[in-house]
Amino acid sequence: DQQVKQNSPSLSVQEGRISILNCDYTNSMFDYFLWYKKYPAEGPTFLISISSIKDKNEDGRFTVFLNKSAKHLSLHIVPSQPGDSAVYFCASLTGANNLFFGTGTRLTVIP
Amino acid sequence: DAGVIQSPRHEVTEMGQEVTLRCKPISGHDYLFWYRQTMMRGLELLIYFNNNVPIDDSGMPEDRFSAKMPNASFSTLKIQPSEPRDSAVYFCASSATPGLGERTDTQYFGPGTRLTVL
Repeated sequence: DQQVKQNSPSLSVQEGRISILNCDYTNSMFDYFLWYKKYPAEGPTFLISISSIKDKNEDGRFTVFLNKSAKHLSLHIVPSQPGDSAVYFCASLTGANNLFFGTGTRLTVIP
Repeated sequence: DAGVIQSPRHEVTEMGQEVTLRCKPISGHDYLFWYRQTMMRGLELLIYFNNNVPIDDSGMPEDRFSAKMPNASFSTLKIQPSEPRDSAVYFCASSATPGLGERTDTQYFGPGTRLTVL
């Protein structure tokens, strides 16, 4: 059973526009959420995180929103740049180290 | 630091053969994780170690899979015998113990080993 779901396998956005990547989770015990970014032939790298006590966390062009009642989080990238083209994984944490990842969304930013 | 090192980067083998994947974590990190990435299931945690001791292996798919960490700088993931459905990218990651008041510490991933079982 996928406890973390990313229902959009791909997304294309024009450079300069906003990219919105979505993620849903099922386990109400998750209390910490992360986004990882992955380029081809490389491992995922940490991008941004949010605790369940917050509903928003911002870091430069990247903002993560959390809606606990809907068990939904989203990553906003604005403005999108061609270098943002990658696969983005949403992950949820329970316990100290058990990360549950989604299947990923491939973002393509068109110049 | 060179980051998490994995070898080999690519492995092609025939069904029934033994496969051994290797990982060197970042020096000073005391957590080590093995993940598997597939299109259908994304990234799945297989097992993780703390101070070389396996803590949670509930993600290991079956007895054909085994993992060891003989010392703080080396871990192996072995599949014996391998099957075509084991074909995937296997990632190793490491992290430090979270600081006081921190929820978790960032996991740093290696480049992965792409395994193909024919």
